Amino acid sequence: NAGVTQTPKFQVLKTGQSMTLQCAQDMNHNSMYWYRQDPGMGLRLIYYSASEGTTDKGEVPNGYNVSRLNKREFSLRLESAAPSQTSVYFCASTPTGLGGYTFGSGTRLTVV
Amino acid sequence: QKEVEQDPGPLSVPEGAIVSLNCTYSNSAFQYFMWYRQYSRKGPELLMYTYSSGNKEDGRFTAQVDKSSKYISLFIRDSQPSDSATYLCAMMPFNTNAGKSTFGDGTTLTVKP
Repeated sequence: NAGVTQTPKFQVLKTGQSMTLQCAQDMNHNSMYWYRQDPGMGLRLIYYSASEGTTDKGEVPNGYNVSRLNKREFSLRLESAAPSQTSVYFCASTPTGLGGYTFGSGTRLTVV
Repeated sequence: QKEVEQDPGPLSVPEGAIVSLNCTYSNSAFQYFMWYRQYSRKGPELLMYTYSSGNKEDGRFTAQVDKSSKYISLFIRDSQPSDSATYLCAMMPFNTNAGKSTFGDGTTLTVKP
């Protein structure tokens, strides 16, 4: 099925551990995004990639890094996980950078 | 103060009711307005997408944008239990760098049979 695929769906990390969240889209979209969703705080942009080869910080980038591996794939890395990074992470994409997103199904991350 | 404020809810209505979901915003540069539906433990799904002011209808859903009042609405006619979800408004300026949307916090809707 066409869309945005995120892996893993669930993850529990210990404080200080690292991990990479993977995202891939098969819709030939140019722009890709990583958001986190927390109760009472809505969706907040972590990083985005306007096109292959470019990445920029969003609203809450501290503690994260990203890689736009190719046009399809955009990964999010937590170098040293903290309990404050417990959240649901969504990857999204859009064809041209304007208009609505297609979201993945999310990764539920718990840092203990 | 947040750029986008959304009625917090929760909202509970009987099946068949007309539902009105609303957002206000402060950034006059916003030109693109979206509504997403998010079922529990799922990713948001784009419902409606409107550019600038006016109305847009899609089946039982109508999106309204009033840029003079900085106010947008989503109306759901003949609401169904399957409409029970969280609804998120989102907005984007025309001259955005790579389409960064600003989201409301969401309104949770329950439609009771």
